[in-house]
Parts: sequence; structure tokens; C-alpha cells
Amino acid sequence: EVQLLKSGGGLVQPGGSLRLSCAASGFTFSNYAMTWVRQAPGKGLEWVSSISTSVTVTYYADSVKGRFTISRDNSKNTLYLQMDSLRAEDTALYYCARGTTTYDYWGQGTLVTVSS
Amino acid sequence: DVVMTQSPLSLPVTLGQPASISCRSSQSLVYSDGNTYLNWFHQRPGQSPRRLIYKVSNRDSGVPDRFSGSGSGTDFTLKISRVEAEDVGVFFCMQGTHWPRTFGQGTKVEIK
Repeated sequence: EVQLLKSGGGLVQPGGSLRLSCAASGFTFSNYAMTWVRQAPGKGLEWVSSISTSVTVTYYADSVKGRFTISRDNSKNTLYLQMDSLRAEDTALYYCARGTTTYDYWGQGTLVTVSS
Repeated sequence: DVVMTQSPLSLPVTLGQPASISCRSSQSLVYSDGNTYLNWFHQRPGQSPRRLIYKVSNRDSGVPDRFSGSGSGTDFTLKISRVEAEDVGVFFCMQGTHWPRTFGQGTKVEIK
């Protein structure tokens, strides 16, 4: 069974940092590109970032470019999102998802709240 | 960026009746490999999104056959032949052809 288990959310002050992790199981992690999608409270879905299978190619939404870094450790079957210089508008549920042209599996959202 | 426009944004439906959601993109979603990466997702309250349809019309395993996707180029439709209570929630279209990936605003389906 495919599972994407997340950790690392929480409350952080504006300007602070947080790292999200997404531990994958039930499939060959290194064979799949991965993605982060977020959803602000009561809002729709926003693509945040994607990473290729081999870590060599990454993509970012303009809203997070230069502040967020996506990475992966294929030896640990884990996807990461390092979030720096956080802003109030980054407050959202963050989902990791498998794929880039489509997202066939989603993890449970992890809440990131940016507030003083 | 490719803008995905869904309509309607709110859809009250009667159990057992059909429903249809439109999704239009500001650019063609046909990729250079010939595929059209248009997806539909369903999100029940308090849950993660679940994929229903990929590449316009391919239904995921376990998705009831009352759901169907159609369309081409810039104009796409999700149809529910007979709405059931478990269909409440928000339906999103999403394009996976162009960067950045973009979602429609979502269509909230509720039972009358």
C-alpha cells in the first residue's frame, strides 16, 4: 500500500524557518518525481514545488521561489521541503504528492501556521 | 501561467440526478508527447484530495463508473451520471502540461 507520511508542521513566526518531511513507503520512491501542494484555510489547491527522480531538476512556484527548497533522499525514501523567510501568506495545509504531470497519491496534510 | 477556470463554483444537486462540471484552460493542454495532462480530483471535507481522472478521461482504479471525463485542447468536462451522497465535497481540475502546474478554483458539490 502506498503511504506518504508527513511531519514537521507547526507554528512559526514570520521570517522563521521550518522543514517538512514526507516519508514514502509501498513503492519504489526513487522511480517517481514528487511534488508539494498547499491549501490555505478555506481555499483551493496551489502547486508549490516539484522534484525529479534524480534530484537534478526542481521547479518552484513564483510565490515561494528563493525561499523554499525541495529536496529528496532516495536512500531514506523521503521528500523534504525547507521553508525559509516564512510569511503569513504561507499559512496552509501542505501535502506531498506522487508525480508531476498528475498526482495519484497524496499524503495527509501537515499544517503550517505563520503568525506572531 | 495557464489559468484553469471551473464552472459552476457551486453545484447543488439532487441525489440520483446527473451533474456536470466544466474546466477551461487559457492554453492548450496538449503536450509535445501528444498527451493531454488534465486531471480531476475530489476532496471530501477534512480529507486529502483524491485523484478521479487523469489524462482527460482515464478513471482511477476504484473510482465508480458514474464518473467520466471528456474534452480536448482547452475545454474539459467531468460528468457524474447519478450523484450519490458520498460525492459531496469539492472537485478540482488541474493541468500537468505546463509549468507552473495550476488548479481550477474548485466546484463545491452539495446535496439539495
